[in-house]
Amino acid sequence: DGGITQSPKYLFRKEGQNVTLSCEQNLNHDAMYWYRQDPGQGLRLIYYSQIVNDFQKGDIAEGYSVSREKKESFPLTVTSAQKNPTAFYLCASSARASGSVYEQYFGPGTRLTVT
Amino acid sequence: EDKVVQSPLSLVVHEGDTVTLNCSYEVTNFRSLLWYKQEKKAPTFLFMLTSSGIEKKSGRLSSILDKKELSSILNITATQTGDSAIYLCAVGAQGAQKLVFGQGTRLTINP
Repeated sequence: DGGITQSPKYLFRKEGQNVTLSCEQNLNHDAMYWYRQDPGQGLRLIYYSQIVNDFQKGDIAEGYSVSREKKESFPLTVTSAQKNPTAFYLCASSARASGSVYEQYFGPGTRLTVT
Repeated sequence: EDKVVQSPLSLVVHEGDTVTLNCSYEVTNFRSLLWYKQEKKAPTFLFMLTSSGIEKKSGRLSSILDKKELSSILNITATQTGDSAIYLCAVGAQGAQKLVFGQGTRLTINP
């Protein structure tokens, strides 16, 4: 069964704590992406990676960090520096690095609540 | 800065109605426009449009791109309650590694 998995589905954290969201894909896709979704704002790009050991900042990278040590995995860490971390986080992947040509496939998302 | 704007932001109709969702964009070196449906969690891919004037169709859903007007529409005919979702439009530029998403249109179909 090919697809993208994200865990956990729901995550609760206290302010000031770092938290890592998992994203794994078995589609053999080169590129992976992290988005944040807030009500009424669509999807905003946090980070993306075209290839193992390489990644680029998206539009709202401040307060987040990523790694891409394996092709299948692209974990996102929400650090205590992120001012408004409560949101719905979506991970996506596409077959090739040119995200404008190949459609992106999405995972089920992680809803993070920080209090 | 690349920009994608969807309208309306929210729409409520009755089952059986036909709806038209709009997406307009400002992108340097446009390459593709994509539509996604998001019901509860993961957006699912609907269409990718690259050429102007060519309609893409899947069942009751259809979409067309107008490069002159820098816009696209998504039509849904004979709507059903299962069509209730957020519909997302995204645009990609030539040589870009990422998509730019609009705010989404929240469509509610009442029985």
